[in-house]
Amino acid sequence: EAQVTQNPRYLITVTGKKLTVTCSQNMNHEYMSWYRQDPGLGLRQIYYSMNVEVTDKGDVPEGYKVSRKEKRNFPLILESPSPNQTSLYFCASSFRGQGGGYTFGSGTRLTVV
Amino acid sequence: LAKTTQPISMDSYEGQEVNITCSHNNIATNDYITWYQQFPSQGPRFIIQGYKTKVTNEVASLFIPADRKSSTLSLPRVSLSDTAVYYCLVGGGGYQKVTFGTGTKLQVIP
Repeated sequence: EAQVTQNPRYLITVTGKKLTVTCSQNMNHEYMSWYRQDPGLGLRQIYYSMNVEVTDKGDVPEGYKVSRKEKRNFPLILESPSPNQTSLYFCASSFRGQGGGYTFGSGTRLTVV
Repeated sequence: LAKTTQPISMDSYEGQEVNITCSHNNIATNDYITWYQQFPSQGPRFIIQGYKTKVTNEVASLFIPADRKSSTLSLPRVSLSDTAVYYCLVGGGGYQKVTFGTGTKLQVIP
């Protein structure tokens, strides 16, 4: 089944403890992206990647890192999480030039205390 | 990057046709128009995509006028399970930094 898989689905952590949210897709998509969703603010793009070793900032990149060493994986790294990063996170992928036809993961609900 | 404007919310009775319009005045020549559906705590789901005129699939139709400055998502005979937030997204023609609008919250009433 074609899908984007995120792990974990739920995570509670403490301020300052580094964490990684994994994202993997099995559709050979070149493009991958991370979003966060907060009440009243919709979906905001954090980082995106056009292909392996090519990443760029979205609208809200502060406090996040990403890497794209393989085509299928695009992990989101929080080096020192803070409470304002408590949010619902989504990973998405698509073929380049698809015109925005993204496949989204099921989401990761992160709570930083 | 084209900015989109949609109504914040809409109500509809079961069995009616629902039309949600999105404005995108500064759409670029190579931009597509894509609509997504999102249920609470789930990832957005692709509904339909178009470039111009009309596109229809098994769940919706998308109407795009000649100037492409707006688009209308049409959901035929909605049911309670269509209650969700609907997002219009414009881009993809080389622009991979994308911005979702705040979406339209559709409430279907029995």
